[in-house]
Amino acid sequence: IAGITQAPTSQILAAGRRMTLRCTQDMRHNAMYWYRQDLGLGLRLIHYSNTAGTTGKGEVPDGYSVSRANTDDFPLTLASAVPSQTSVYFCASSAGTGGTDTQYFGPGTRLTVL
Amino acid sequence: GQNIDQPTEMTATEGAIVQINCTYQTSGFNGLFWYQQHAGEAPTFLSYNVLDGLEEKGRFSSFLSRSKGYSYLLLKELQMKDSASYLCAGMDSNYQLIWGAGTKLIIKP
Repeated sequence: IAGITQAPTSQILAAGRRMTLRCTQDMRHNAMYWYRQDLGLGLRLIHYSNTAGTTGKGEVPDGYSVSRANTDDFPLTLASAVPSQTSVYFCASSAGTGGTDTQYFGPGTRLTVL
Repeated sequence: GQNIDQPTEMTATEGAIVQINCTYQTSGFNGLFWYQQHAGEAPTFLSYNVLDGLEEKGRFSSFLSRSKGYSYLLLKELQMKDSASYLCAGMDSNYQLIWGAGTKLIIKP
């Protein structure tokens, strides 16, 4: 079944550790996104990529980095995790970046930083 | 600033109709999205409005008034499976989505 996969499903991490969240899509979508979702807040964009080889910063990029070496993969790295990065992380993709390009979401990664 | 406002929680009865309101302020406007999110799951797309008026899709309809910065999602013939959070998101001039915190809809038998 086509879609977006994320790994791991959940993770408990010690503060200061490095962590990479993986995201892969098989829909050949050009655009990909990373969001975090915290209780009582809307989804917040961390980083995005409009096409392979390019990335951009979203609303809350500090402490996170991304790369987009190919169309399918868009990993998110926390260089040195802090407790405030405890959240549910969703990867999403869309065919393009226009208004009619629906974003499709992966199942999410639940990350706890202690 | 950019902002999306929607009620935190609503309760409705199975078989009834419920309207979830959303007001938005975005820098530029390229459309208004509604997503459904069941607890512990990913958001899934419900509707997209960019022109004023009502869009109907089965039991779900979405309305947009650009002059008022207002949208609503109308759910008819409510079923227990409609218990979920409903997320309103406005697309700004950079084609980025600005999300509301979501409305948790509780359906009672």
